Amino acid sequence: DAGVTQSPTHLIKTRGQQVTLRCSPISGHKSVSWYQQVLGQGPQFIFQYYEKEERGRGNFPDRFSARQFPNYSSELNVNALLLGDSALYLCASSITGEREKLFFGSGTQLSVL
Amino acid sequence: GQNIDQPTEMTATEGAIVQINCTYQTSGFNGLFWYQQHAGEAPTFLSYNVLDGLEEKGRFSSFLSRSKGYSYLLLKELQMKDSASYLCAVRDPSSARQLTFGSGTQLTVLP
Repeated sequence: DAGVTQSPTHLIKTRGQQVTLRCSPISGHKSVSWYQQVLGQGPQFIFQYYEKEERGRGNFPDRFSARQFPNYSSELNVNALLLGDSALYLCASSITGEREKLFFGSGTQLSVL
Repeated sequence: GQNIDQPTEMTATEGAIVQINCTYQTSGFNGLFWYQQHAGEAPTFLSYNVLDGLEEKGRFSSFLSRSKGYSYLLLKELQMKDSASYLCAVRDPSSARQLTFGSGTQLTVLP
């Protein structure tokens, strides 16, 4: 079975632009979470979705938004990119998102110039 | 909020045993995870502790003391492929749905 898949793997944008990152969870998993990992740091929670509804939001500005589709895939959107948004964006899936281990994708490396 | 501390770097020799410590300060507790992350790859699940004590899984063991806010990951019979970052994460007590990660411990295994 395929694991969590994310696209694209790498992305280069300039300040002020907008970006959309995509994630497909493991088959049968209905919950998707997004994390931001800055170089040398641990992942930081951004959002969690379950059954197309937002179940949790981390301490990120409104420039960050996400959604989940009926097939449980998800998109993370970031508007008005800043240099500080350069990071590895990780998607994780689980069956219900409650008290379970997370399965992570390999991430999208975003560079903002 | 939550604060999780773990050493930034550790070095050990192939075949040896290494212990990676993690301390946390939280207003509550809802489980602690250890993940392994090789450079450029996805974090992969190693262990989960919610009760005090030792959980053993092959060459990897994890220990938890809730009263001390302390956990460690023990790696035995180190192999070169164990060189990676090891992430300690605590499940948020106010929401069972998010993990708060430490900054990770970069382990280098030398021949």
